[in-house]
Amino acid sequence: DQQVKQNSPSLSVQEGRISILNCDYTNSMFDYFLWYKKYPAEGPTFLISISSIKDKNEDGRFTVFLNKSAKHLSLHIVPSQPGDSAVYFCAACYSGNTPLVFGKGTRLSVIA
Amino acid sequence: DTAVSQTPKYLVTQMGNDKSIKCEQNLGHDTMYWYKQDSKKFLKIMFSYNNKELIINETVPNRFSPKSPDKAHLNLHINSLELGDSAVYFCASSQDSEGGEKLFFGSGTQLSVL
Repeated sequence: DQQVKQNSPSLSVQEGRISILNCDYTNSMFDYFLWYKKYPAEGPTFLISISSIKDKNEDGRFTVFLNKSAKHLSLHIVPSQPGDSAVYFCAACYSGNTPLVFGKGTRLSVIA
Repeated sequence: DTAVSQTPKYLVTQMGNDKSIKCEQNLGHDTMYWYKQDSKKFLKIMFSYNNKELIINETVPNRFSPKSPDKAHLNLHINSLELGDSAVYFCASSQDSEGGEKLFFGSGTQLSVL
C-alpha cells in the first residue's frame, strides 16, 4: 500500500527551464511533507519541507506547493541546473512519533 | 567531517551468514534510524532509537537486531542472511523523534547476499 506516490520515475529538462516534480499521498493524516535529493552512491539529503498549514514554501530556486484537497504536492526548481540532476524523493509524516514515509523517487536529468 | 557515517559501504556475503553494519553520527542527535531501500527503490523504515531506546520496530524479521551502545551509535546485526535481504541499508539521525524533523542520512551500505 503506497501512501506516498511519485508516478513519474524520470524527468528530463533543459538547463535554465523549470523542473516540476509531483507527489501524491493517500493518508489524510499526513501533516508534514519533505523533499530529499539523492546522488548516486550517497544518502538522501534534505532539500525543503512544508507543513500542512501552508500551501507554499520557497527556498532559493526551490519551491514546494501543497494542495491538501487534492492530496498533492509538487517541487518546482527554477532555473534548473545540471547539478540538480539526481533522484528526488517525496516524504510525509504526521505529528507525533511517526517515521517518514517515502515515495519511490523521480530521477531528474537536467540537460545542458 | 562526515555527519552520519556507516560501514562498510559494500557487503557481499553468502546466504546463512551473520553480518553487521555500523553507524555513527557526530551531530549530537537524539534519534537514529535504519531504513532499507529494496529493489523497487522504496525507502522503508526498519527501526528507530531515541537515546538508546527502541522507539519504532516496523515489521522486520527478528533476524535483524539493532544495537545502540550510546546515542551516537546504532548498529545493525543480521543473522542467517537470506537472498531477499539484498538491498541498500541507510542509517539516519534526527534531532528528536517527533517526526517531521529532517533526517540526515549516511551514504548507505549495499548488501548483496549470494
